[in-house]
Amino acid sequence: KQEVTQIPAALSVPEGENLVLNCSFTDSAIYNLQWFRQDPGKGLTSLLLIQSSQREQTSGRLNASLDKSSGRSTLYIAASQPGDSATYLCAPYNFNKFYFGSGTKLNVKP
Amino acid sequence: NAGVTQTPKFQVLKTGQSMTLQCAQDMNHEYMSWYRQDPGMGLRLIHYSVGAGITDQGEVPNGYNVSRSTTEDFPLRLLSAAPSQTSVYFCASSYGSSYTFGSGTRLTVV
Repeated sequence: KQEVTQIPAALSVPEGENLVLNCSFTDSAIYNLQWFRQDPGKGLTSLLLIQSSQREQTSGRLNASLDKSSGRSTLYIAASQPGDSATYLCAPYNFNKFYFGSGTKLNVKP
Repeated sequence: NAGVTQTPKFQVLKTGQSMTLQCAQDMNHEYMSWYRQDPGMGLRLIHYSVGAGITDQGEVPNGYNVSRSTTEDFPLRLLSAAPSQTSVYFCASSYGSSYTFGSGTRLTVV
């Protein structure tokens, strides 16, 4: 059974800092891995999708890396802004199923 | 607006009552799924469907029933609600690895 761990569970930083969110998973047999953003009382929004054959994916200030063999992914947020405050979820994907971590709750202070 | 619509947004049930959580999508996606999210935990898959007339169990199916009579709708039924089913429920539809999540139903069983 796939187990997903996200560290740290919570993070509070001043605006402008560069951040790294970590995700580890136990089963390397994945089809892809996605990072999602969840705002309070809202659904999930997909931020980045990395195919199992890729090493990294970038979108604006976000960069996600994947080391499938070691079961690790990181989400890098550059020049953080208060609007980045949300919970970030890591989700390996295989056989029509996501396996979600419990998330990192990020607070970016103005 | 295209997307996934969940109703109701909030619901309080008494132990033993039954109810149906509704989920509808207008993107003609074949694949739909239900997840539950509990505090401090990631989302866990309850049931999923790869097309009309086809459903299968996810990680935590006990206490829930589903059916898929049309491509658009994927209702989740609680036959006899229990306090352990207090959670936030998310419905999702997808095409390939592109997922769209609904905004959730917050269910409390007392």
